[in-house]
Amino acid sequence: AQSVSQHNHHVILSEAASLELGCNYSYGGTVNLFWYVQYPGQHLQLLLKYFSGDPLVKGIKGFEAEFIKSKFSFNLRKPSVQWSDTAEYFCAVIPFTGGGNKLTFGTGTQLKVEL
Amino acid sequence: DVKVTQSSRYLVKRTGEKVFLECVQDMDHENMFWYRQDPGLGLRLIYFSYDVKMKEKGDIPEGYSVSREKKERFSLILESASTNQTSMYLCASSTRQGERYGYTFGSGTRLTVV
Repeated sequence: AQSVSQHNHHVILSEAASLELGCNYSYGGTVNLFWYVQYPGQHLQLLLKYFSGDPLVKGIKGFEAEFIKSKFSFNLRKPSVQWSDTAEYFCAVIPFTGGGNKLTFGTGTQLKVEL
Repeated sequence: DVKVTQSSRYLVKRTGEKVFLECVQDMDHENMFWYRQDPGLGLRLIYFSYDVKMKEKGDIPEGYSVSREKKERFSLILESASTNQTSMYLCASSTRQGERYGYTFGSGTRLTVV
């Protein structure tokens, strides 16, 4: 079965530190990739997405992610985090099969940014 | 602003009760989804629907059913609530091209079964 792995469950950083959250998926075919963020008490919001073209995608709030097909990875990065980036981050995958578009999520990474 | 609205933010129900969770979207989206979110487990798909009166099982459908009588409304039903169904339930919707644009999520319903 297709799966999505996020190896960092909890990350604590100081403001201005750089961030990289890992995401690996197991599906062998073409995939569409997403990062969602859930701020405390808020609904899930789309940070960025990749479905074709430049493997380095830029999203909102200074986030970016790089798709490395050979490594089945889609890691999220931000050069300098802020306290307001404290949230839970979810990587998600949809296989491009044309037969449906079910989004499969990773287990999430809880990021805490300290002042 | 497009919206997915879940009727209740918090619910407390007793074991054995039949529970209805309602979700309405105003974006004319074809696809609707129900997930549950548990700490350390992420979001897991319960059921989804690609059209009115259509439904398909997700990864964890046991103990749940759904109803989609109108395009904008997708209901999740817990036939006989149990304590292991205590969770945050998230509804989402997407266009038919959801694989390109992603989903829009509601704010969630936190259900406690006692």
